[in-house]
Amino acid sequence: EIVMTQSPLSLPVTPGEPASISCRSSQSLLHSSGYNSLDWYVQKPGQSPQLLIYLGFKRASGVSDRFSGSGSGTDFTLRISRVEAEDVGVYYCVQALQTFMTFGPGTRVHIK
Amino acid sequence: QVQLQESGPGLVKPSQTLSLTCTVSGGSIHSGSYYWSWIRQPAGKGLEWIGRIYVSGKTDYNPSLKRRLTMSLDTSKNQFSLKLTSVTAADTGIYYCARDHGDDTSGGWFDPWGQGTLVTVSS
Repeated sequence: EIVMTQSPLSLPVTPGEPASISCRSSQSLLHSSGYNSLDWYVQKPGQSPQLLIYLGFKRASGVSDRFSGSGSGTDFTLRISRVEAEDVGVYYCVQALQTFMTFGPGTRVHIK
Repeated sequence: QVQLQESGPGLVKPSQTLSLTCTVSGGSIHSGSYYWSWIRQPAGKGLEWIGRIYVSGKTDYNPSLKRRLTMSLDTSKNQFSLKLTSVTAADTGIYYCARDHGDDTSGGWFDPWGQGTLVTVSS
C-alpha cells in the first residue's frame, strides 16, 4: 500500500493571499507514461469531492487558473495563487499509480 | 454531461449486507475506456477507495474489504452496484460513486462524482 501524507492538516488563509499544501507519498508516483499519478480534490462544505488537478499538474475542466499542481516522484504541492472565500474546504491528494488507490488525510483550508 | 446518482437503503443492521447502486446518466456506462469506482467517507473523516469495475466485469478491490465485497454492473440499466457483507458500525458513512479514468494497470482520477448517499449501520 502506498501511504499518502499531507501538511499542514489545517491551513488558515487570508483572502487575496497565496496558499500551498504539501503531499508526500511513500513511494514514487512516476508512471511509465512519464506522468505522475497524483491527483488533487477539494471537498467543499456539504458537497461531494470534485477534481481539481490530475496527473500532478493538469487542471480539470472548469477549474480556476488560481490553482496549480507541481512536483514529481514523492513530493507534490498544490498552490492557490490568491485565495478566495469560496476556496474553503478540505483538500485531498490521492495516488493512482496502483489499482489500489489511496488518499491523503486531507487539509482543511479555512479563513483566518 | 455524465452524471452519477447513488441509491440504496440508508439503514442496514449489523451483520447484514449493504447494497448500493449507482445510476449513470448522460452517457453510456460501456462507452469509453472507463472504470467505475466506489469511495466512502466515515462521518467527519477522510476518503477511502472501496473498489472499481470495468465494463468487461473486471474488478479491483481495496484489500481490506476484498473478503466482504462484490461489485457488478448492469449495462442494460446503465448501473453499477456494490454489495458489502457482514457490515459493522465501522461501515457507516457516505458512499460515493465516481467515474474512474484509470486503466488495467493503474488507477485514475475520479470525475465526475455522485452526490453521495449516507448509510448507517445500526440495529
